[in-house]
Amino acid sequence: GDSVTQMEGPVTLSEEAFLTINCTYTATGYPSLFWYVQYPGEGLQLLLKATKADDKGSNKGFEATYRKETTSFHLEKGSVQVSDSAVYFCALSIGAGNMLTFGGGTRLMVKP
Amino acid sequence: DAGVTQSPTHLIKTRGQQVTLRCSPKSGHDTVSWYQQALGQGPQFIFQYYEEEERQRGNFPDRFSGHQFPNYSSELNVNALLLGDSALYLCASSLGQLAYEQYFGPGTRLTVT
Repeated sequence: GDSVTQMEGPVTLSEEAFLTINCTYTATGYPSLFWYVQYPGEGLQLLLKATKADDKGSNKGFEATYRKETTSFHLEKGSVQVSDSAVYFCALSIGAGNMLTFGGGTRLMVKP
Repeated sequence: DAGVTQSPTHLIKTRGQQVTLRCSPKSGHDTVSWYQQALGQGPQFIFQYYEEEERQRGNFPDRFSGHQFPNYSSELNVNALLLGDSALYLCASSLGQLAYEQYFGPGTRLTVT
C-alpha cells in the first residue's frame, strides 16, 4: 500500500541554522504531496503542497520539491527560528477523494 | 470565522464502553474526515463523510462508525472500546471531497482504561 517515511526526530538546531527533514514515499500512482505542521496543543496546519513532479511548494520560508525520480519530498528552510519548534508531518494523497496518508512525524526543537 | 471545532477536548472511558465524538467543520465546508493519532505517531485515516454518506474508509473495524448531519457537522462513534483505541482523534474539513486544503481541529484526547 501507499506509505510515507520520515526521518526520526527529534531534530535539535540552533536559531538561524539550516533545516532539512527527509521524506520519501511509496505510492501506486501519482500522489499529491504535503507537509503539515503541528504546534503544541493545536491541530495540524497545512504548510505547503505539491501536486505534480518537479513542483516546488513554499510557505513561510519553508520549501519542498516533488522529486519523482527519488520519490522524495524533503522539507528545507534556510534559517530556522525558535517559533518553528513543532512536529512536522509529510503526507500524500492519491486517487479519488482527499484521504491523507501520513508519515510518523519529526519533532523539531530550535534553541535560541 | 470559526475554524474546525471538536468536543469534548478530553475524555476517559472504560474498556468495553461506547463513545461519541463531535466535530463542527469550518464555515462553508461540506466534507468531514476523521483521523486517529496514536501517541508519537502520524494520523491514520478513519473515514470521510460527504453529503451525509460515508465516501471513503480506512483500515478500521466496524466498531468505528460515523454520521454527518444536514448542517455538515459530524460524529464519530466507537463501540466496545479497547485499550488500543486510546489516541487523539482529529477531525478535518474541506470544501468538496477532492480539495487539497483540509483544515484540522485541535482534536479530542480519548483515554481508555
